[in-house]
Amino acid sequence: VVMTQSPLSLPVTLGQPASISCRSSQSLVHSTGNTFLNWFQQRPGQSPRRLIYEVSKRDSGVPDRFSGSGSGTDFTLKISRVEAEDVGFYYCMQGTHWTWTFGQGTQVEIK
Amino acid sequence: EVQLLQSGGGLVQPGGSLRLSCAASGFTFRNSDMSWVRQAPGKGLEWVSFVNGGGSNTFYADSVKGRFTVSRDNSKNTLYLQMDSLRADDSAVYYCATGRGDVWGQGTTVTVSS
Repeated sequence: VVMTQSPLSLPVTLGQPASISCRSSQSLVHSTGNTFLNWFQQRPGQSPRRLIYEVSKRDSGVPDRFSGSGSGTDFTLKISRVEAEDVGFYYCMQGTHWTWTFGQGTQVEIK
Repeated sequence: EVQLLQSGGGLVQPGGSLRLSCAASGFTFRNSDMSWVRQAPGKGLEWVSFVNGGGSNTFYADSVKGRFTVSRDNSKNTLYLQMDSLRADDSAVYYCATGRGDVWGQGTTVTVSS
């Protein structure tokens, strides 16, 4: 399964929205009916942190300005109002098929 | 507190071996599938290996198949990655993570160089 993110670089003004797209080469709907599409944030020098799981479920402690949506092969991560602490790389990841596959990563930076 | 604490890593010559460890705490380790993920310098995340909770099923990325072995000791709440026949392109920060990616270790650096 190939995961393709766009854009790869995303300069954003503080307080403005941001959106990252992720497309998979195959449907991510599992035989159970769940769709195991996750979004991770990686701040400079830190381990990845899961923000969103199963397309749209926010992890505990994740600000509600982060939201995930999509289905099948097309998914989106949105930040409603970008804050300085949101700078870093964002990765989509599929966990539907036995092996994980990550997108290339999108670098979010402040203009 | 749910935690994965990694150890091992370091500098090794091409063709050498290294074993990484990942000690779990704060959750029922034996019930959790586990994965290893690596990140080469300046690059993105690459999945390396998976092992199910009981240790009976393992999967590997093509890039490490036949050279790396994942295992676990549920009595010690510890995950391992045995890395043999190491190559320069195996140089990376290696992370352990729980099966759904909700908990990650702090990462450990592996450098393969003569």
